[in-house]
Amino acid sequence: GAVVSQHPSWVICKSGTSVKIECRSLDFQATTMFWYRQFPKQSLMLMATSNEGSKATYEQGVEKDKFLINHASLTLSTLTVTSAHPEDSSFYICSARPRIDRPSSYEQYFGPGTRLTVT
Amino acid sequence: DAKTTQPPSMDCAEGRAANLPCNHSTISGNEYVYWYRQIHSQGPQYIIHGLKNNETNEMASLIITEDRKSSTLILPHATLRDTAVYYCIVRADYGGATNKLIFGTGTLLAVQP
Repeated sequence: GAVVSQHPSWVICKSGTSVKIECRSLDFQATTMFWYRQFPKQSLMLMATSNEGSKATYEQGVEKDKFLINHASLTLSTLTVTSAHPEDSSFYICSARPRIDRPSSYEQYFGPGTRLTVT
Repeated sequence: DAKTTQPPSMDCAEGRAANLPCNHSTISGNEYVYWYRQIHSQGPQYIIHGLKNNETNEMASLIITEDRKSSTLILPHATLRDTAVYYCIVRADYGGATNKLIFGTGTLLAVQP
């Protein structure tokens, strides 16, 4: 159990376009989902935390108007990179935390990541 | 959350035990020690976590010193598939709170044939 999927697994887009990445918890409900970004040879950097039905909380330095996060249901969160530029090329990873009334609710389960390349 | 310090890289022979150290000298009483690993180009994978007692599961053992200022992750019989970056993270767990996992630089474990 505790599987998180991401779609697409990789995407190439042109500069100036927008790209949407989906994160789904397949066999559990997630009240909280997290979005990370990872550049080559670097660690994961937390971008934002999203709670179902409310606005996302962004980490310092992350532009909320550029990285739109929607967490419309307990199993789906989306990250939209708006007006993407080559410097947005990165590996985007989501994680999901089960509902607090479930055992192991303190755990986070990570998706496989989405590699975005902006040309 | 407390900061952790890990060696940037380690080698281990296949079949031998891999011992990965982590220092967390500023850990506070309600903070847990978590270990995750990330195989190249994949999402992180949970390994184990503990508060003060040693823990063991099917993947690894976690040894936490009595003063809780450091810990060691032990992979008892390393295989080539264990080659990955291992992250030691210290985090407080509050019931119902939104707890963030903040990743440091981790240790790149290279298992050699």
